[in-house]
Amino acid sequence: QVQLQASGPGLVTPSETLSLTCTVSGGPISGYLWNWIRQPPGKGLEWIGYIYYTGSTNYSPSLKSRVTISVDTSRTQFSLKLSSVTAADTAVYYCARGGGYCRGGTCFSQGILDFWGQGVLVTVSS
Amino acid sequence: QSVLTQPPSTSGTPGQRVTISCSGSISNIGSNTINWYQQLPGAAPKLLIYSTNERSSGVPDRFSGSKSGTSASLAISGLQSEDEADYYCATWDDSLNGVLFGGGTKLTVL
Repeated sequence: QVQLQASGPGLVTPSETLSLTCTVSGGPISGYLWNWIRQPPGKGLEWIGYIYYTGSTNYSPSLKSRVTISVDTSRTQFSLKLSSVTAADTAVYYCARGGGYCRGGTCFSQGILDFWGQGVLVTVSS
Repeated sequence: QSVLTQPPSTSGTPGQRVTISCSGSISNIGSNTINWYQQLPGAAPKLLIYSTNERSSGVPDRFSGSKSGTSASLAISGLQSEDEADYYCATWDDSLNGVLFGGGTKLTVL
């Protein structure tokens, strides 16, 4: 059974960079789109972006200028960095596996997120 | 504000049938299949329905999905207390080239 485990600091200072890692076990990292999604307290889900195992990425336009997602296939991990954080970035951050593939710089998917990590609450506060 | 529009809340009594709607546009629901996620209190979302009408492993057949044009629906029949949760529609958006979520619907079982 595929499992995802998100980890990282639960408290980040405003204007600093939020960094989270998702470790994948029980299945290959190749052949899938690896996603980050967040959920502010009491609110809905917001897609942040994904990375394909080859390194192709795509980010939400609203966060694109501050987001970097990377992958380490040798460790079956992928990571999220969100810079210049504010209180509005306080949320539970989830990692999730998505079906799809990328070819020639273009990615194709039906947006099916079939396995999710448990989520990490990140609070932005001084 | 989500581009996929869901009612914020709905409710039903045990045994009843309820539906949750999800409205989008040609670039998302109109061009792609729809997925539904169930989020129980304090838990991560779980894939419930994928490819518009396929139930994820272990999901009872009380749950069903459908789509027409740029709108989709999740139906839950024989409502049970354990169905009380938040439900999110989601799909791929061709303009975004990413996943789009609805705002979520809180289902209360009275």
